[in-house]
Amino acid sequence: GENVEQHPSTLSVQEGDSAVIKCTYSDSASNYFPWYKQELGKRPQLIIDIRSNVGEKKDQRIAVTLNKTAKHFSLHITETQPEDSAVYFCAASTRSNYQLIWGAGTKLIIKP
Amino acid sequence: DTGVSQDPRHKITKRGQNVTFRCDPISEHNRLYWYRQTLGQGPEFLTYFQNEAQLEKSRLLSDRFSAERPKGSFSTLEIQRTEQGDSAMYLCASSLGLAGVQETQYFGPGTRLLVL
Repeated sequence: GENVEQHPSTLSVQEGDSAVIKCTYSDSASNYFPWYKQELGKRPQLIIDIRSNVGEKKDQRIAVTLNKTAKHFSLHITETQPEDSAVYFCAASTRSNYQLIWGAGTKLIIKP
Repeated sequence: DTGVSQDPRHKITKRGQNVTFRCDPISEHNRLYWYRQTLGQGPEFLTYFQNEAQLEKSRLLSDRFSAERPKGSFSTLEIQRTEQGDSAMYLCASSLGLAGVQETQYFGPGTRLLVL
Protein backbone atom coordinates (compact mmCIF):
# COMPACT_ATOMS: atom_id res chain seq x y z
CA GLY A 1 0.00 0.00 0.00
CA GLU A 2 0.85 3.67 -0.10
CA ASN A 3 3.49 5.05 2.24
CA VAL A 4 4.27 8.76 2.67
CA GLU A 5 7.48 9.98 4.25
CA GLN A 6 7.92 13.58 5.36
CA HIS A 7 11.06 15.57 6.24
CA PRO A 8 12.17 17.30 8.34
CA SER A 9 10.26 16.49 11.51
CA THR A 10 11.08 19.93 12.94
CA LEU A 11 12.02 23.08 11.04
CA SER A 12 13.04 26.33 12.67
CA VAL A 13 13.38 29.43 10.47
CA GLN A 14 13.83 33.14 11.05
CA GLU A 15 10.76 35.28 10.50
CA GLY A 16 10.77 36.51 6.92
CA ASP A 17 12.82 33.59 5.60
CA SER A 18 11.49 30.72 3.49
CA ALA A 19 10.57 27.23 4.67
CA VAL A 20 10.57 24.06 2.60
CA ILE A 21 9.03 20.74 3.64
CA LYS A 22 9.48 17.63 1.52
CA CYS A 23 7.45 14.43 1.11
CA THR A 24 7.93 11.25 -0.86
CA TYR A 25 5.30 8.69 -1.75
CA SER A 26 5.53 5.08 -2.83
CA ASP A 27 2.40 4.39 -4.92
CA SER A 28 2.79 5.61 -8.50
CA ALA A 29 -1.03 5.56 -8.80
CA SER A 30 -1.32 8.42 -6.29
CA ASN A 31 -2.69 11.49 -8.03
CA TYR A 32 -3.88 13.90 -5.33
CA PHE A 33 -1.56 15.57 -2.81
CA PRO A 34 -2.97 17.94 -0.18
CA TRP A 35 -1.11 19.83 2.51
CA TYR A 36 -2.77 20.49 5.86
CA LYS A 37 -1.84 22.85 8.69
CA GLN A 38 -2.71 21.84 12.22
CA GLU A 39 -2.34 24.18 15.17
CA LEU A 40 -2.14 22.75 18.66
CA GLY A 41 -5.47 21.29 19.72
CA LYS A 42 -7.15 22.28 16.46
CA ARG A 43 -8.45 20.43 13.43
CA PRO A 44 -6.28 19.95 10.30
CA GLN A 45 -7.02 22.64 7.73
CA LEU A 46 -6.20 22.42 4.03
CA ILE A 47 -3.75 25.08 2.90
CA ILE A 48 -3.03 23.92 -0.66
CA ASP A 49 -3.36 20.83 -2.82
CA ILE A 50 -2.02 19.64 -6.15
CA ARG A 51 -3.16 17.00 -8.62
CA SER A 52 -0.88 14.87 -10.73
CA ASN A 53 -1.68 16.69 -13.98
CA VAL A 54 0.23 19.81 -12.85
CA GLY A 55 3.78 20.33 -11.62
CA GLU A 56 3.37 23.44 -9.50
CA LYS A 57 0.66 25.46 -7.82
CA LYS A 58 0.90 28.79 -5.96
CA ASP A 59 -1.38 30.64 -3.59
CA GLN A 60 0.14 33.90 -2.33
CA ARG A 61 3.06 32.94 -0.04
CA ILE A 62 2.47 29.20 -0.38
CA ALA A 63 3.50 26.95 -3.27
CA VAL A 64 3.60 23.22 -3.86
CA THR A 65 5.72 21.40 -6.44
CA LEU A 66 5.26 17.83 -7.65
CA ASN A 67 7.81 15.57 -9.34
CA LYS A 68 5.93 12.46 -10.47
CA THR A 69 9.02 10.75 -11.82
CA ALA A 70 10.83 10.97 -8.50
CA LYS A 71 7.55 10.58 -6.55
CA HIS A 72 8.10 13.55 -4.33
CA PHE A 73 6.33 16.81 -3.61
CA SER A 74 7.28 19.84 -1.57
CA LEU A 75 5.65 22.72 0.27
CA HIS A 76 7.28 26.15 0.03
CA ILE A 77 6.35 29.01 2.34
CA THR A 78 7.94 32.39 1.62
CA GLU A 79 8.19 35.45 3.87
CA THR A 80 7.30 33.39 6.92
CA GLN A 81 5.29 35.01 9.69
CA PRO A 82 4.73 34.04 13.36
CA GLU A 83 1.24 32.77 12.53
CA ASP A 84 2.80 30.18 10.21
CA SER A 85 4.03 28.31 13.30
CA ALA A 86 2.14 24.98 13.36
CA VAL A 87 2.47 21.33 12.36
CA TYR A 88 2.22 20.74 8.61
CA PHE A 89 1.15 17.40 7.14
CA CYS A 90 1.44 16.15 3.58
CA ALA A 91 -0.86 13.42 2.31
CA ALA A 92 -1.54 11.39 -0.81
CA SER A 93 -4.44 9.46 -2.30
CA THR A 94 -5.36 7.67 -5.51
CA ARG A 95 -8.32 8.01 -7.87
CA SER A 96 -9.70 4.62 -6.85
CA ASN A 97 -9.17 5.00 -3.13
CA TYR A 98 -10.17 8.30 -1.56
CA GLN A 99 -8.50 7.71 1.78
CA LEU A 100 -5.64 10.05 2.59
CA ILE A 101 -2.31 8.51 3.59
CA TRP A 102 -0.48 11.03 5.75
CA GLY A 103 3.11 11.91 6.47
CA ALA A 104 4.28 12.10 10.07
CA GLY A 105 4.20 15.89 10.14
CA THR A 106 6.68 18.78 10.34
CA LYS A 107 6.66 21.15 13.27
CA LEU A 108 7.45 24.59 11.84
CA ILE A 109 8.81 27.13 14.30
CA ILE A 110 9.11 30.77 13.22
CA LYS A 111 11.72 32.62 15.27
CA PRO A 112 11.07 36.36 15.77
CA ASP B 1 -21.68 26.90 11.86
CA THR B 2 -21.85 25.00 8.59
CA GLY B 3 -18.63 23.05 9.07
CA VAL B 4 -18.12 19.46 10.21
CA SER B 5 -19.12 18.95 13.83
CA GLN B 6 -18.29 16.16 16.24
CA ASP B 7 -19.74 15.19 19.59
CA PRO B 8 -18.53 14.82 22.26
CA ARG B 9 -15.32 16.84 22.09
CA HIS B 10 -13.81 14.92 24.99
CA LYS B 11 -14.53 11.51 26.46
CA ILE B 12 -12.93 9.82 29.45
CA THR B 13 -13.87 6.21 30.02
CA LYS B 14 -12.69 3.17 31.89
CA ARG B 15 -11.13 0.22 30.14
CA GLY B 16 -13.76 -2.25 29.02
CA GLN B 17 -16.54 0.31 28.55
CA ASN B 18 -18.21 1.06 25.22
CA VAL B 19 -18.12 4.54 23.71
CA THR B 20 -19.92 6.11 20.75
CA PHE B 21 -18.93 9.23 18.84
CA ARG B 22 -21.03 11.23 16.41
CA CYS B 23 -20.04 13.18 13.32
CA ASP B 24 -22.23 15.61 11.41
CA PRO B 25 -20.69 16.36 7.99
CA ILE B 26 -21.20 19.43 5.84
CA SER B 27 -24.78 19.00 4.67
CA GLU B 28 -24.32 18.41 0.94
CA HIS B 29 -21.22 16.21 1.29
CA ASN B 30 -21.64 12.63 0.11
CA ARG B 31 -18.36 11.23 1.49
CA LEU B 32 -17.52 10.86 5.15
CA TYR B 33 -14.24 9.63 6.62
CA TRP B 34 -13.02 8.60 10.06
CA TYR B 35 -9.37 8.97 11.05
CA ARG B 36 -7.48 8.40 14.29
CA GLN B 37 -4.61 10.63 15.39
CA THR B 38 -2.22 9.98 18.26
CA LEU B 39 0.05 12.63 19.71
CA GLY B 40 2.88 13.62 17.39
CA GLN B 41 1.61 11.55 14.48
CA GLY B 42 -0.35 12.15 11.32
CA PRO B 43 -3.95 10.96 11.10
CA GLU B 44 -4.49 7.28 10.21
CA PHE B 45 -7.41 6.29 8.01
CA LEU B 46 -10.04 4.09 9.67
CA THR B 47 -13.04 3.92 7.33
CA TYR B 48 -15.05 5.86 4.78
CA PHE B 49 -18.63 6.12 3.55
CA GLN B 50 -20.09 7.21 0.26
CA ASN B 51 -23.63 8.18 1.15
CA GLU B 52 -24.80 5.38 3.47
CA ALA B 53 -22.46 2.70 2.07
CA GLN B 54 -19.29 1.87 4.00
CA LEU B 55 -16.85 1.35 1.13
CA GLU B 56 -13.55 0.79 2.86
CA LYS B 57 -12.22 -0.23 6.25
CA SER B 58 -8.61 -0.10 7.37
CA ARG B 59 -6.92 -3.13 8.84
CA LEU B 60 -6.45 -0.86 11.87
CA LEU B 61 -10.17 -1.18 12.51
CA SER B 62 -10.49 -4.21 14.76
CA ASP B 63 -13.76 -6.07 15.37
CA ARG B 64 -14.32 -3.83 18.40
CA PHE B 65 -14.84 -0.85 16.11
CA SER B 66 -18.00 -0.29 14.11
CA ALA B 67 -19.19 2.68 12.11
CA GLU B 68 -22.53 3.54 10.58
CA ARG B 69 -24.03 6.24 8.42
CA PRO B 70 -27.65 5.11 8.36
CA LYS B 71 -29.26 7.80 6.24
CA GLY B 72 -26.22 9.09 4.45
CA SER B 73 -26.02 12.12 6.72
CA PHE B 74 -24.49 11.87 10.22
CA SER B 75 -22.23 8.99 11.20
CA THR B 76 -21.43 7.19 14.44
CA LEU B 77 -18.25 5.39 15.45
CA GLU B 78 -18.58 2.89 18.29
CA ILE B 79 -15.71 1.29 20.16
CA GLN B 80 -16.62 -1.73 22.26
CA ARG B 81 -14.60 -2.98 25.22
CA THR B 82 -12.22 -0.03 25.08
CA GLU B 83 -8.51 -0.57 25.69
CA GLN B 84 -5.87 1.93 26.79
CA GLY B 85 -4.38 1.77 23.30
CA ASP B 86 -7.61 3.26 21.93
CA SER B 87 -6.73 6.59 23.55
CA ALA B 88 -6.40 9.06 20.66
CA MET B 89 -8.09 11.91 18.83
CA TYR B 90 -10.83 10.60 16.52
CA LEU B 91 -11.27 12.89 13.54
CA CYS B 92 -14.15 12.96 11.10
CA ALA B 93 -13.93 14.57 7.66
CA SER B 94 -16.33 15.04 4.80
CA SER B 95 -16.07 15.86 1.12
CA LEU B 96 -18.22 16.28 -1.96
CA GLY B 97 -17.00 14.32 -4.92
CA LEU B 98 -17.88 12.64 -8.17
CA ALA B 99 -16.73 9.13 -8.90
CA GLY B 100 -13.00 9.01 -9.49
CA VAL B 101 -12.40 12.55 -8.24
CA GLN B 102 -10.84 13.47 -4.93
CA GLU B 103 -12.11 16.68 -3.43
CA THR B 104 -10.99 18.58 -0.35
CA GLN B 105 -11.63 16.76 2.90
CA TYR B 106 -12.89 19.14 5.59
CA PHE B 107 -12.21 18.05 9.13
CA GLY B 108 -14.22 18.30 12.30
CA PRO B 109 -12.69 19.39 15.63
CA GLY B 110 -12.24 15.78 16.74
CA THR B 111 -13.23 13.75 19.78
CA ARG B 112 -10.38 13.20 22.22
CA LEU B 113 -10.74 9.82 23.91
CA LEU B 114 -8.88 8.87 27.08
CA VAL B 115 -9.19 5.30 28.30
CA LEU B 116 -8.14 4.83 31.93
